[in-house]
Amino acid sequence: LAKTTQPISMDSYEGQEVNITCSHNNIATNDYITWYQQFPSQGPRFIIQGYKTKVTNEVASLFIPADRKSSTLSLPRVSLSDTAVYYCLVGDEGGGADGLTFGKGTHLIIQP
Amino acid sequence: DGGITQSPKYLFRKEGQNVTLSCEQNLNHDAMYWYRQDPGQGLRLIYYSQIVNDFQKGDIAEGYSVSREKKESFPLTVTSAQKNPTAFYLCASSKGGGNQPQHFGDGTRLSIL
Repeated sequence: LAKTTQPISMDSYEGQEVNITCSHNNIATNDYITWYQQFPSQGPRFIIQGYKTKVTNEVASLFIPADRKSSTLSLPRVSLSDTAVYYCLVGDEGGGADGLTFGKGTHLIIQP
Repeated sequence: DGGITQSPKYLFRKEGQNVTLSCEQNLNHDAMYWYRQDPGQGLRLIYYSQIVNDFQKGDIAEGYSVSREKKESFPLTVTSAQKNPTAFYLCASSKGGGNQPQHFGDGTRLSIL
């Protein structure tokens, strides 16, 4: 079971790029890395998923180094509405409960 | 629109009562999940189901029960054996298990009267 470690909280300002790093030293060969965003009193929302190198979509980028022991979620030019909790999960497609541990996530606070 | 629906949004329970939380999805997903979230905490897995008529316990299944008689429905019963049921309950679904991205409902907030 690949356990993840994230900072408890981060602060930034509107218009800045924010990078949130997740450590997963015990990641297995078949594991993917998935990030979710959660606003208060709502369910988490899928942001991005990757296996290696770099993945980019319309809202974020995910950077994964060659050893895959960590990953970085990059949010370009954040706004106040990006204030939320961000979760990093690691798991494979084999099913089971592995990879379904959300942990406490990173509470990102964006200031004007 | 496809999505996942949880009801009710707010639920109150008296001591000693069982209550059932509804979760329905029209995404044609095989897998469904129930999580519990306490204030300031992450999500903890209660039960999950990868296919109809089959489900497995998660990390905190004691005091809860589920059924998966239909692909689109995965109700959660909070029994009187659950001594601290006040929490925010989230249901999710995914195409398959494991690393498949999960789609979440808007949650049910359960409180004890």
